[in-house]
Amino acid sequence: GQQVMQIPQYQHVQEGEDFTTYCNSSTTLSNIQWYKQRPGGHPVFLIQLVKSGEVKKQKRLTFQFGEAKKNSSLHITATQTTDVGTYFCAGPGSSASKIIFGSGTRLSIRP
Amino acid sequence: DAGVIQSPRHEVTEMGQEVTLRCKPISGHNSLFWYRQTMMRGLELLIYFNNNVPIDDSGMPEDRFSAKMPNASFSTLKIQPSEPRDSAVYFCASSDTGAYNEQFFGPGTRLTVL
Repeated sequence: GQQVMQIPQYQHVQEGEDFTTYCNSSTTLSNIQWYKQRPGGHPVFLIQLVKSGEVKKQKRLTFQFGEAKKNSSLHITATQTTDVGTYFCAGPGSSASKIIFGSGTRLSIRP
Repeated sequence: DAGVIQSPRHEVTEMGQEVTLRCKPISGHNSLFWYRQTMMRGLELLIYFNNNVPIDDSGMPEDRFSAKMPNASFSTLKIQPSEPRDSAVYFCASSDTGAYNEQFFGPGTRLTVL
């Protein structure tokens, strides 16, 4: 079935360093979503990418969708302690409503 | 809008007992999802409903799990009998398939089965 692979599983950075997580699919995705889950919290939607090669920015966060629509990345510039959490990508499933979550990348930060 | 509401927030029970988790989706959303999250298995989709009808229950682990959505504003996930391996955080989420397909998650129910 549809699978979305995400790497790395964990990332520990010094505050102020950059962070990137990658999402890959073996099949072409019609869109990809990104979610953030704070420790002890629930996943919260960040963004959806639809177009090939699309790049979107939210302050220090940059989201990219690959040209072939099989991969995506989330890059955080100059991390802050508020960025701590697990970042998930999610691709469409076998029906309109369903999405398949990647395994997530857990970001921790040294102050 | 109050967002997705789940109850209880925490549940501790003994093996063999019945557990019922409850969810109220965001008003107007026509899709509802139940997820289970553990360290080992990550975020797993258990079942989802569209317009109160179960569409895909392939993620339901076994017959001990059942889910219902009697109306557009309420859903339950029941485990009977519960086992220690069912211990996890269970999330309910809802979305409006006519729009962005963004899923809104509830705060989750942390279930511990002793």
